[in-house]
Amino acid sequence: DTEVTQTPKHLVMGMTNKKSLKCEQHMGHRAMYWYKQKAKKPPELMFVYSYEKLSINESVPSRFSPECPNSSLLNLHLHALQPEDSALYLCASSQDLGAGSPLHFGNGTRLTVT
Amino acid sequence: DAKTTQPNSMESNEEEPVHLPCNHSTISGTDYIHWYRQLPSQGPEYVIHGLTSNVNNRMASLAIAEDRKSSTLILHRATLRDAAVYYCILRDLASNTGKLIFGQGTTLQVKP
Repeated sequence: DTEVTQTPKHLVMGMTNKKSLKCEQHMGHRAMYWYKQKAKKPPELMFVYSYEKLSINESVPSRFSPECPNSSLLNLHLHALQPEDSALYLCASSQDLGAGSPLHFGNGTRLTVT
Repeated sequence: DAKTTQPNSMESNEEEPVHLPCNHSTISGTDYIHWYRQLPSQGPEYVIHGLTSNVNNRMASLAIAEDRKSSTLILHRATLRDAAVYYCILRDLASNTGKLIFGQGTTLQVKP
């Protein structure tokens, strides 16, 4: 079990659908992250939030829209995705943005775009 | 960002120690050395980190070379559950961006 909870575990969506991925942590962490991981590849950073404000967007297409409604929750809104967006989406949190603050990861949402 | 180099794969026998190497010849004085691992079908898991001195915790030990250009993650007694991809990552203390950038990592196989 992890302290970062992601829902749903699996999601299948069509290219015209709108869906959201959810992430929750109750460790009092003030930094939260979204990563994307393709099969047999390392995770790739997408977004970083600090104190509920977006601090890094790694040039992610606008069809991915993050939202941090409060310090415990992080959403990723999906719209008009492409089949190549199929991947494991990982959420993580850390105490702060400091290099000495380890990231705690959830087990991800496996997304399939048809 | 400073880069790390790890072997693509390693094998170990169960109940034996495992030494996972990482080269980081361009490391800066403010780079922390972090290790994460990712078990099959799970998210990455923090293992250990250090700056200059060797570090121990319940999961592993981290040995850092005196010149900091390399480090070794030591699993003292491998179990089948330790089969995973191990990532050695540098994080800059001075940047304060939170960025954790994964390289290709080392896939560790543990044989019974």
